[in-house]
Amino acid sequence: DIQMTQSPSSLSAFVGGRVTITCRASQDISTSLAWYQQKPGKVPKLLIYGASTLQSGVPSRFSGSGSGTDFTLTISSLQPEDVATYYCQKYNSAPFTFGPGTKVDIK
Amino acid sequence: EVQLVESGGGLVQPGRSLRLSCAASGFTFDDYAMHWVRQAPGKGLEWVSGISWNSGSIHYADSVKGRFTISRDNAKTSLYLQMNSLRAEDTAFYYCAKDTGYDFRTAIDYWGQGTLVTVSS
Repeated sequence: DIQMTQSPSSLSAFVGGRVTITCRASQDISTSLAWYQQKPGKVPKLLIYGASTLQSGVPSRFSGSGSGTDFTLTISSLQPEDVATYYCQKYNSAPFTFGPGTKVDIK
Repeated sequence: EVQLVESGGGLVQPGRSLRLSCAASGFTFDDYAMHWVRQAPGKGLEWVSGISWNSGSIHYADSVKGRFTISRDNAKTSLYLQMNSLRAEDTAFYYCAKDTGYDFRTAIDYWGQGTLVTVSS
């Protein structure tokens, strides 16, 4: 099975700062990758699918890139409401594995 | 408005069984694949199982294969998860989740609020 890793596991950044989270697949998954945001006490929310397509209603400060095995989620200007854990997920084939998550805090 | 409402969670002893249900509304249920995703308290997301629109394609995580069975009733717009031989490590919130496509290969766009399953003696 394809394994998903994320780095870092946690980070702190200033409001207005740029945040980059990396997700890596152990095998080529093309662009079959989604990013989810889970705020404390809430259910996950879809941010990006197809590695780079923004889900409707998601602020444009979020962006995704990558293909194959290496992917990136970028928050261009971190806002207080972005405090959350971010997960990547592969969906090219089962099992539809999630990454371990990256916790984002405000410095 | 899409709504996914899970039920059936609770406290169960190791080795026993439990059946989760998810009542779906606000979308054409039989047009979409569905999933169960779980999250142990304070831990990350774990995909558990998925079922295609017509039940023709079903998948499980290795951790539950042979113990859990996913099913759906399109007439009742409901999703189910039969969980047998439960273990302590199955303790988690179980989320019902809607796929954006009919046969996987797409992301999850809606999640229920979850139902807590606690496996303990």
